[in-house]
Amino acid sequence: EVQLVESGGGLVQPGGSLRLSCAASGFTFRNFWMTWVRQAPGKGLEWVASMKQDGSEQYYVDSVEGRFTMSRDNIKNSLYLQMNSLRAEDTAVYYCARDGEWWGRYFDFWGQGTLVTVSS
Amino acid sequence: QSALTQPASVSGSPGQWITISCAGTSSDVGAYNFVSWYQQHPGKAPKLLIFDVSHRPSGVSTRFSGSKSGNTASLTISGLQAEDEADYYCSSYTKTFTFVFGTGTKVTVL
Repeated sequence: EVQLVESGGGLVQPGGSLRLSCAASGFTFRNFWMTWVRQAPGKGLEWVASMKQDGSEQYYVDSVEGRFTMSRDNIKNSLYLQMNSLRAEDTAVYYCARDGEWWGRYFDFWGQGTLVTVSS
Repeated sequence: QSALTQPASVSGSPGQWITISCAGTSSDVGAYNFVSWYQQHPGKAPKLLIFDVSHRPSGVSTRFSGSKSGNTASLTISGLQAEDEADYYCSSYTKTFTFVFGTGTKVTVL
């Protein structure tokens, strides 16, 4: 059974940093692109970043470019999102998602999400 | 990276069918057949309903179907059921190697 479990969310002050983790199990993690998606309270889904299987390619939404860094550890079957210079508008539930097989441009499994609150 | 445009709400009676539109541009929806649809119940993670415009993952009801014409994609739910009441989002891959989601549609079963 595919499982994605996010952790690391919490309350952080504006300008602060936070590192999210996503533990993957039930599939061969190193074979899949992975993605982070966020959802601000009461708002819609927003794609944040995606990373290739070996980490050699990564893409970000403009609003986080230069502040967020996605990484992965294919030995530990884990995905990470380092978030720096956090702003109030980064407040959201952050979901880790698996991209579809064979470079599928969709997200077939999602974690339960972890809440990040940026506030003083 | 502007969000795709969806109607804010759509409603229908049990047994009826409804259609949700997803309007994009030639740089996203119109560029590839990489449109997907997700269902999200309150407090839950999104669930994949349709991928590559019209393909259903294993286990998804045949009442859900997808299509695309030009820069606009559509999700049709036939035989509407109470359990279909949820938020629905489209998503598209883009020419800049990124993804964009739709604004979301709240489906109400009357």
